[in-house]
Amino acid sequence: GQQVMQIPQYQHVQEGEDFTTYCNSSTTLSNIQWYKQRPGGHPVFLIQLVKSGEVKKQKRLTFQFGEAKKNSSLHITATQTTDVGTYFCAVQTGANNLFFGTGTRLTVIP
Amino acid sequence: NAGVMQNPRHLVRRRGQEARLRCSPMKGHSHVYWYRQLPEEGLKFMVYLQKENIIDESGMPKERFSAEFPKEGPSILRIQQVVRGDSAAYFCASSPRDEQFFGPGTRLTVL
Repeated sequence: GQQVMQIPQYQHVQEGEDFTTYCNSSTTLSNIQWYKQRPGGHPVFLIQLVKSGEVKKQKRLTFQFGEAKKNSSLHITATQTTDVGTYFCAVQTGANNLFFGTGTRLTVIP
Repeated sequence: NAGVMQNPRHLVRRRGQEARLRCSPMKGHSHVYWYRQLPEEGLKFMVYLQKENIIDESGMPKERFSAEFPKEGPSILRIQQVVRGDSAAYFCASSPRDEQFFGPGTRLTVL
């Protein structure tokens, strides 16, 4: 079955520091999606990566898809308190449903 | 264009009762997905439905859980004879293509 490992599980950073979360799969992926879930909230779609080696940016967020399409990363530059939440990677399986990684919970200390 | 709507937002049930969770997808979306999230964990896929059809229910427990998406009205996730282990947040999502839009969730507490 699908296995997607996400590290780290938790990350505490000082406001202004950078943050990175990694997602690793045992199999080659067709695409990967990233979601953010605020505490007490619901997952919100951030981005989808499809191409090998793809890099996409959204303001302070940089998303990468590995050359072998087995791993991905999300990097946040100069974190802000609004970045607090859990970041999930997710891969599509079977009939379009999503298999979510375990998530990285980000805490930003003001 | 209203987002995905779920109700109730919070539901408390005693062991052995039934829980009914409702989900209305975004306008124009005919695909609905249900996920369960246990405290401090990620989301686990349960079932994928289109109007009047269950497409994939590979994540649904074999007993006590059922889901439907009728021709008219919201999608319903039904849990019969709830147990404490059913306490979780249940999210539904709807999709036009690849990305999924999630509702606010129903937080079920079983006493």
